[in-house]
Amino acid sequence: AQSVTQLGSHVSVSEGALVLLRCNYSSSVPPYLFWYVQYPNQGLQLLLKYTSAATLVKGINGFEAEFKKSETSFHLTKPSAHMSDAAEYFCAVSVWWNFNKFYFGSGTKLNVKP
Amino acid sequence: GAGVSQSPRYKVAKRGQDVALRCDPISGHVSLFWYQQALGQGPEFLTYFQNEAQLDKSGLPSDRFFAERPEGSVSTLKIQRTQQEDSAVYLCASSPFDRDLGYNEQFFGPGTRLTVL
Repeated sequence: AQSVTQLGSHVSVSEGALVLLRCNYSSSVPPYLFWYVQYPNQGLQLLLKYTSAATLVKGINGFEAEFKKSETSFHLTKPSAHMSDAAEYFCAVSVWWNFNKFYFGSGTKLNVKP
Repeated sequence: GAGVSQSPRYKVAKRGQDVALRCDPISGHVSLFWYQQALGQGPEFLTYFQNEAQLDKSGLPSDRFFAERPEGSVSTLKIQRTQQEDSAVYLCASSPFDRDLGYNEQFFGPGTRLTVL
């Protein structure tokens, strides 16, 4: 079975500082990995995805994530936080033979201080 | 274009009542998914349709939960005899089918917040 662990349910950074949101996955087969963002009262929006191509994945709004197989990690980063980045972020995993079934982490709320 | 829409956005039910939650997927999307998101948790898979066929319902928590998509477009999630533990946000997502990609990006609706008193 697949699973995702997101360390830190709340992360707070200052505007302009580095954003680092952690995601570790468990999968017995090569995974597909996703980061979604959720703004209040809105649905989840895809930020980026890893599907076995380049290990460094660039997404929207300046976010990127690196797939590290040896560490079973897929951490999300952004060099400089903006106030508009304040939201909840979810990491998800699926696998090729059942790619429609996503397993989500419990989420990390990002707070950006002025 | 229009995204995934869900109605109602908020639903309050008394314990024991039946509720029906509607999802309108993006036009032309073959796949449709239902998720349950409890407070402070990530979404949990409930069920999946490809067109009108329900291919996976392994996440439905009990036989009180029933989902249908009779014409392969709009879907309804029905919960019978609601319990307090059913209180959650119910998310619907749809995706296009692309056999060559081997994966599907899921587009999510805003959710229906169900509160059972």
